[in-house]
Amino acid sequence: AQKITQTQPGMFVQEKEAVTLDCTYDTSDQSYGLFWYKQPSSGEMIFLIYQGSYDEQNATEGRYSLNFQKARKSANLVISASQLGDSAMYFCAMRENVMVNFGNEKLTFGTGTRLTIIP
Amino acid sequence: SQTIHQWPATLVQPVGSPLSLECTVEGTSNPNLYWYRQAAGRGLQLLFYSVGIGQISSEVPQNLSASRPQDRQFILSSKKLLLSDSGFYLCAWSLGRGVAKETQYFGPGTRLLVL
Repeated sequence: AQKITQTQPGMFVQEKEAVTLDCTYDTSDQSYGLFWYKQPSSGEMIFLIYQGSYDEQNATEGRYSLNFQKARKSANLVISASQLGDSAMYFCAMRENVMVNFGNEKLTFGTGTRLTIIP
Repeated sequence: SQTIHQWPATLVQPVGSPLSLECTVEGTSNPNLYWYRQAAGRGLQLLFYSVGIGQISSEVPQNLSASRPQDRQFILSSKKLLLSDSGFYLCAWSLGRGVAKETQYFGPGTRLLVL
C-alpha cells in the first residue's frame, strides 16, 4: 500500500484564489511528521511546511497552511491568495518512527501534484 | 548559512559507462546526507543515506553505490550505467539531531540521461 497518496496529478487555479492540495498517508506509528515541498521547473526541492503528529494546532507558514486531520490521516496543503510563482510540483512527504530512528530522518514522498496558476 | 552543491548539473552518458555524482554541503558539521532519484513525472525515491563518514545505508538494491569520504561530501557512483538509471538525482542534508521536525534541504540536482 502507498504510504503517501496524492490523488490530484494536476490542478489549474485562477490567480489570487486559494487552493487546496490533497495528501493522505498511511502509518501505524503514533509519532510521525508530515512535510510539504515545492519543486519549480528548475528542479530544486523547496521545504514549505511541517506538521507533527502530536502538534495540537495546524501548521502555518505565511500563505501556506496545513489542514491536518489525524483521524482521517490527511494533511492537505492550503495556499491562500495564489500567485503566478506558485506554479510548480508539490510533494507531500512523511517521516515515521520519529522517536525511534534517531539520526536518520528518512522521508517517503508522494507522486506529487502539478499546480498551474492562471493569470 | 548552509548551502548544498551538486555537480554536474546535467550529464549524458552511454550505457555501460561509469558514473560519479558529487554533493557537498557547506556551513554545517556532521550532517545526515541523502541521495534520491526522481524518474520523469514521479516522486522521489530514497537511494542511500549516511549518518557519518564511511557510514552508508542502502535503501534500494541496484547497480549504484554511494560513499562519504569526508564529513560534508557524498558521492554517488556506478561502474556500468543502465538505461533505467536515467533520472533526476537529488542530494539532501539534515542536521541529524533526531528530532521530529528535522527537515531535509535539497541541492539543485543532476539530470542524468543514459543513452
